[in-house]
Amino acid sequence: DQQVKQNSPSLSVQEGRISILNCDYTNSMFDYFLWYKKYPAEGPTFLISISSIKDKNEDGRFTVFLNKSAKHLSLHIVPSQPGDSAVYFCAASAVFGNEKLTFGTGTRLTIIP
Amino acid sequence: DVKVTQSSRYLVKRTGEKVFLECVQDMDHENMFWYRQDPGLGLRLIYFSYDVKMKEKGDIPEGYSVSREKKERFSLILESASTNQTSMYLCASSSRGTAIYGYTFGSGTRLTVV
Repeated sequence: DQQVKQNSPSLSVQEGRISILNCDYTNSMFDYFLWYKKYPAEGPTFLISISSIKDKNEDGRFTVFLNKSAKHLSLHIVPSQPGDSAVYFCAASAVFGNEKLTFGTGTRLTIIP
Repeated sequence: DVKVTQSSRYLVKRTGEKVFLECVQDMDHENMFWYRQDPGLGLRLIYFSYDVKMKEKGDIPEGYSVSREKKERFSLILESASTNQTSMYLCASSSRGTAIYGYTFGSGTRLTVV
């Protein structure tokens, strides 16, 4: 039972354009969401997060949007750069849960120079 | 620079062997986690621990056990390795109450069972 889903296994975007990565979740108890970035042969690194009391959080080129009614979040990267090429995982947690993160299946983003 | 260190980057083991994957963190974190990463399945939680000698099953604990005798060290044990345990194994840690702000991950151990 995949509680966090990323339906696009891969995405290619031209350098300088906007990259949009999507994530859907099914567990209504989730109230905190995170995005991680992973390069090959490295562990995932934290990118940006959002609480369910917000619908948008911005950090430089990265913006995460949350639509609670649709149980959907997205990560926007603008402008996209070659160093953004990586696998992106969304993750979710319940604040009053047991501190576990439930991860999605990942989207491989390739930025074309 | 804070670190989560996994003892091996690559391991090749034979079917039926007992395998130990070691993870050490230097951040005095209470929480430690073991995940495996497989194509198309993302990161799946195997086991986690909130404190020394405490452990809880994650989503896919079958075929695995863990040990946490010291706060900084969390070991994953494959009791009898099988080919379907060939995977990338990732250890992570977090301070109590801060998991929602993100874990710190190690670089991973790619295990191949032949």
